[in-house]
Amino acid sequence: DVKVTQSSRYLVKRTGEKVFLECVQDMDHENMFWYRQDPGLGLRLIYFSYDVKMKEKGDIPEGYSVSREKKERFSLILESASTNQTSMYLCASSLGGGLVSYEQYFGPGTRLTVT
Amino acid sequence: AQSVAQPEDQVNVAEGNPLTVKCTYSVSGNPYLFWYVQYPNRGLQFLLKYITGDNLVKGSYGFEAEFNKSQTSFHLKKPSALVSDSALYFCAVRDYDNTDKLIFGTGTRLQVFP
Repeated sequence: DVKVTQSSRYLVKRTGEKVFLECVQDMDHENMFWYRQDPGLGLRLIYFSYDVKMKEKGDIPEGYSVSREKKERFSLILESASTNQTSMYLCASSLGGGLVSYEQYFGPGTRLTVT
Repeated sequence: AQSVAQPEDQVNVAEGNPLTVKCTYSVSGNPYLFWYVQYPNRGLQFLLKYITGDNLVKGSYGFEAEFNKSQTSFHLKKPSALVSDSALYFCAVRDYDNTDKLIFGTGTRLQVFP
C-alpha cells in the first residue's frame, strides 16, 4: 500500500512565524502535491512537483513556497504565516512518469491554526 | 476550462437504502474521472476511477460509479447504504492541460441515518 505521511496532525502557530509542513511518501512516486482544504471550497492546489528540485505553481501559490530535495520528501513553507492561512493542508503523491495511473494518494492532513 | 461540479452539498439517506452522489464534468477530451472519500479528520482515500472501457466501474467498499458520456456525468452509487458510509465525497477529473493534475469538486457530505 502507498503510504503518505505528514509531520504533524495539528499545528498552532503565531502570525508572522515561518512554518514548515513536511510530507514523505514511500512508493517512489514521481509527483507530489500540496493542497489546502476549506469548507465549501473543496481542495485547492498550492504547488506540485513532478521531479526532484522541480516545482510548479498551482492555483493559490501566494504566501507559500515548496522544497523537494529528495524524491520522497516534499515540504510546504509558509514564509510568514497569516490568519487567512488557517486551514487543513493535504499532501498527495501519484505515480507520474507518463504512466497511465493518475490517481493521487493522500496523507492524513495537517490542521494548521494561525493565531 | 475543465471542471467538475457536485450539485449537492449534502445527501441524506436511510441505512439499507440505495445511495447516489452526483457529479458532472466538463473537459475538452475524453475524461479520466475519480471518486474519493474523506472520513472525519482524515486524508482522502481513493475509491475508484474511470479511464476507458465499461461504463460501470466498481470500487472499494461496495461503491460503483456510472459514466454517462451524453449527460457528462459520473455518479457514485451503492445499492445499500451503511451508517459507516457517512463521510465527505469528492469527484475529480484529470486536467488535460497538465495531465498529472486532478481538478476536484467541492465535495458532497453523505449522511446515512440508522
